[in-house]
Amino acid sequence: EAQVTQNPRYLITVTGKKLTVTCSQNMNHEYMSWYRQDPGLGLRQIYYSMNVEATDKGDVPEGYKVSRKEKRNFPLILESPSPNQTSLYFCASSSHTVPETQYFGPGTRLLVL
Amino acid sequence: QKEVEQDPGPLSVPEGAIVSLNCTYSNSAFQYFMWYRQYSRKGPELLMYTYSSGNKEDGRFTAQVDKSSKYISLFIRDSQPSDSATYLCAMSDRGSTLGRLYFGRGTQLTVWP
Repeated sequence: EAQVTQNPRYLITVTGKKLTVTCSQNMNHEYMSWYRQDPGLGLRQIYYSMNVEATDKGDVPEGYKVSRKEKRNFPLILESPSPNQTSLYFCASSSHTVPETQYFGPGTRLLVL
Repeated sequence: QKEVEQDPGPLSVPEGAIVSLNCTYSNSAFQYFMWYRQYSRKGPELLMYTYSSGNKEDGRFTAQVDKSSKYISLFIRDSQPSDSATYLCAMSDRGSTLGRLYFGRGTQLTVWP
């Protein structure tokens, strides 16, 4: 089944404890992206990757790191999480073939205490 | 001021009504205009996209872009309870629907039977 998977789906952690949220897609997509969604603020892009080894900042990259060493994986790293990074995180992927539809993962709900 | 403004609603209409959802933007470099639909507890899905100005129709959905007014709309005809969701507009200043994306806050729509 074609899908974008995220792990973990739910995470409670404490301030300052490094964490990684994994994202993997099995559709051979070139493009991948991370978003966070917060009530009243909508969806905001964190980082995106047009292809392997090509990453760029989105709207809210501060406090996050990403890497794209292989096509299928695009992990999101929080080196020192803070409470303001409590949010719902979505990973998405797309091919560069028109209509370039992004497929979103199921989301990761993160709580930083 | 956000680059993309969208009234969060909520909007509540009876089944069969015509729904109008709107976004305004400030960046005249935006070229691609997208509408995403997000059901509760799910990731967004691309509904429609339009390049530059004009209209695009897909079944009961019509997307309009007025670049002179920096205003985009999504119309839903004969609305159904299954249309109940949050609708997000998004825009891109690249030559595609991918890359750096700017989202509105989303409008929550409820269609009651």
